[in-house]
Amino acid sequence: AQKVTQAQTEISVVEKEDVTLDCVYETRDTTYYLFWYKQPPSGELVFLIRRNSFDEQNEISGRYSWNFQKSTSSFNFTITASQVVDSAVYFCALSERVYNFNKFYFGSGTKLNVKP
Amino acid sequence: GAVVSQHPSWVICKSGTSVKIECRSLDFQATTMFWYRQFPKQSLMLMATSNEGSKATYEQGVEKDKFLINHASLTLSTLTVTSAHPEDSSFYICSARRLGALIYNEQFFGPGTRLTVL
Repeated sequence: AQKVTQAQTEISVVEKEDVTLDCVYETRDTTYYLFWYKQPPSGELVFLIRRNSFDEQNEISGRYSWNFQKSTSSFNFTITASQVVDSAVYFCALSERVYNFNKFYFGSGTKLNVKP
Repeated sequence: GAVVSQHPSWVICKSGTSVKIECRSLDFQATTMFWYRQFPKQSLMLMATSNEGSKATYEQGVEKDKFLINHASLTLSTLTVTSAHPEDSSFYICSARRLGALIYNEQFFGPGTRLTVL
């Protein structure tokens, strides 16, 4: 079974619209971490946020905000007033501890197209 | 800080040849490095985990004789794709865990290497 599910394969919006990218995860661990990464066409992963399982406080960083809800195992990402430069593939990832290191599980990614 | 580089950034080779990809942690020592593969329009899939000075641990379905991993120092890991075939064409990304990191899950990703096998 998929540990991280990003049901939205591709989303297209017009500039200045708000957009929410969904992420649902599955884990039996009580301690885990969740991440969002942006992957522009160049391919390099850009780290956006890390959230541990004990911190359910929502976070806002500029136009970005994240909603972590353990009750629904979701960690959704909202971009407010989207811009063309936001166009990229966004990955949600879950990190679980395996022996003495962490293992990352990536979702399938959501491609965001922001049109001018 | 915490920069990871990969070399080369892209490579084109003929079928049957071997290709070596380097992953370096530039400003920190890495106890553990990870190798991922990403096919076009797909997600990143972990191939193997390598610890400095020991054999790599491969994920299920990854051929260890085909994808040779050497983690010779605390700043360098190499992935060699042996006898490459067109189906090995992919985007290979490495990541590194910093020595002494308090947050065990902290990984720093390299920029990736795009391999095309003709």
